[in-house]
Amino acid sequence: ETGVTQSPTHLIKTRGQQVTLRCSSQSGHNTVSWYQQALGQGPQFIFQYYREEENGRGNFPPRFSGLQFPNYSSELNVNALELDDSALYLCASSLESTETEAFFGQGTRLTVV
Amino acid sequence: GESVGLHLPTLSVQEGDNSIINCAYSNSASDYFIWYKQESGKGPQFIIDIRSNMDKRQGQRVTVLLNKTVKHLSLQIAATQPGDSAVYFCAAPNQAGTALIFGKGTTLSVSS
Repeated sequence: ETGVTQSPTHLIKTRGQQVTLRCSSQSGHNTVSWYQQALGQGPQFIFQYYREEENGRGNFPPRFSGLQFPNYSSELNVNALELDDSALYLCASSLESTETEAFFGQGTRLTVV
Repeated sequence: GESVGLHLPTLSVQEGDNSIINCAYSNSASDYFIWYKQESGKGPQFIIDIRSNMDKRQGQRVTVLLNKTVKHLSLQIAATQPGDSAVYFCAAPNQAGTALIFGKGTTLSVSS
């Protein structure tokens, strides 16, 4: 088990609603990255937060936004949910904003109906 | 753009056999590669990594081989066990070093 925890584990939302997912990073890790994993696919990078600032962003629309707090925990917010947003959302923490070993949480399964 | 891809979507082996999972990458400047294992309902779990100044790295029952000439890496699992059944991903950092690029994954099924 890694020290990365995500909440909630499962969530069902209606199209058009907004959702907030949460992640607590592993102790000592100051970098949090979020990924979206559709069924049968590999994780796709959404964005990375390093010391409370967005440090990189993948090919996702602005309705995907995030925050990182002083304790390095993080939130992923998605507005105006669409059916295609249904996926497993993964949080990964690492030390510094490098490609060093990233530890993933168990994910939040979001279903949009 | 940058890409990382696996050769076979599924691999079925017998318990005790050795498994080999292959991966190709497109960015010749990539200098770090990671293999992850993802069990059903869980997040990816780090298995082993390798830097481009190495051709081979061994862990417990796993070996990663890197061939920079043909931009290919493989994960070898010795004496495969039912607990090794999972989806395996190779990943590499993007050029900015801020994200990991994953392939689609190979599903390894181990039968007793």
